[in-house]
Amino acid sequence: DIVMTQTPSSQAVSAGEKVTMSCKSSQSLLYSGDQKNYLAWYQQKPGQSPKLLIYLASTRESGVPDRFIGSGSGTDFTLTISSVQAEDLADYYCQQHYSYPYTFGAGTKLELK
Amino acid sequence: QIQLVQSGPELKKPGESVKISCKASGYTFTDYAMHWVKQAPGKGLKWMGWINTYTGKPTYADDFKGRFVFSLEASASTANLQISNLKNEDTATYFCARWGRVMDAWGQGASVTVSS
Repeated sequence: DIVMTQTPSSQAVSAGEKVTMSCKSSQSLLYSGDQKNYLAWYQQKPGQSPKLLIYLASTRESGVPDRFIGSGSGTDFTLTISSVQAEDLADYYCQQHYSYPYTFGAGTKLELK
Repeated sequence: QIQLVQSGPELKKPGESVKISCKASGYTFTDYAMHWVKQAPGKGLKWMGWINTYTGKPTYADDFKGRFVFSLEASASTANLQISNLKNEDTATYFCARWGRVMDAWGQGASVTVSS
């Protein structure tokens, strides 16, 4: 199974800060056939279901604010929030869909400083 | 708009069974696979597997082989998750999620509590 490691596990932030969080995979998620990275990011607010933010490592889902930026390739990926807003306080999960089982990272919790 | 509406909370005893439903609307049900995700209380997300909504063929992650069954009522645009011989560790919220580009639409979650 591909192991997904997210760091940090939690991060205290202030509104307006730039935030970065990391997701590393134990195997490359870059498929040679199409040169795409099979990595997605989800946001989960307390008491809610997860919401898709980013797919194929860097493609923003329709309706997601452009302050959410996904980057990286191979085994190292980053989710950046360029200027954190209060409504961004949530858990963030990366997930690989390169091979079964489609494993998630343990998550990064964004908290208010 | 696309909606996945799941059944309500369940309280069960160890050894019992439970069936969770996920009713889809706003799109053609058989055009998109349905995935299932477990979230234990205070824990992260765990992928359980998926079902091909066109053929009905399920695929299970190793930890969910044996007591877990994915099924369909395609005429009702509904996917189901049945768990038999419930154990305390099955206490969790179970999400269904449509597989478009990835999991691009999620149900609200169905809570299952297993307690004697």
